[in-house]
Amino acid sequence: EIVLTQSPDTLSLSPGERATLSCRASQSVSTYLAWYQQKPGQAPRLLIYDASNRATGIPARFSGSGSGTDFTLTISSLEPEDFAVYYCQQRYNWPPITFGQGTRLEIK
Amino acid sequence: QVQLVESGGGVVQPGGSLRLSCAASGFTFSDYGMHWVRQAPGKGLEWVAFQRYDGSNKNYADSVKGRFTISRDNSKNTLYLQMNSLGAEDTAVYYCAKDRMATSATCLDYWGQGTLVTVSS
Repeated sequence: EIVLTQSPDTLSLSPGERATLSCRASQSVSTYLAWYQQKPGQAPRLLIYDASNRATGIPARFSGSGSGTDFTLTISSLEPEDFAVYYCQQRYNWPPITFGQGTRLEIK
Repeated sequence: QVQLVESGGGVVQPGGSLRLSCAASGFTFSDYGMHWVRQAPGKGLEWVAFQRYDGSNKNYADSVKGRFTISRDNSKNTLYLQMNSLGAEDTAVYYCAKDRMATSATCLDYWGQGTLVTVSS
């Protein structure tokens, strides 16, 4: 099973700042990595698939990069609604598909 | 617009059974693979099961294999999860989610609002 490790666990930033979230895989997942956003009491929402493709309706301030074992989700300029928990997910070697433990992005 | 509405959650005693349903609308249900994903209170996401578009193949997490069964009725646009031999570790919000593709798990592009399953005596 491929383990995804996200860092940091918590990121404290202010609106307008740039956020950089990391996801590292225990073995190569090629570019078969997705990112999700989850707000309290809500279902997750797909942001990025196949490492760098924005999902339908996702603002351009969200971008993804990486391949192999190291991936990054970047939010170029934080909006108030971006403060949430973010998860990465791989589907390279499945079953199972696996998720990272999450990064909480909080307002500083 | 895509809508996924789960139902069937509730409180069940250890060792009991429950069947969850997920009613889909706003897309051609029979064209896409479907998943169940769960989230224990205050915890992260755990994939549970996947079924391809035509129901011909099913995949499970080791934690539920042999106890849970995913199924679908394409004539009713509905996904199911039959859960047997439930334990406290199965307490979670259960989400149904649509895959971007038909035959293999890729990523989950639409999610329902979830239904809470609590296993407690």
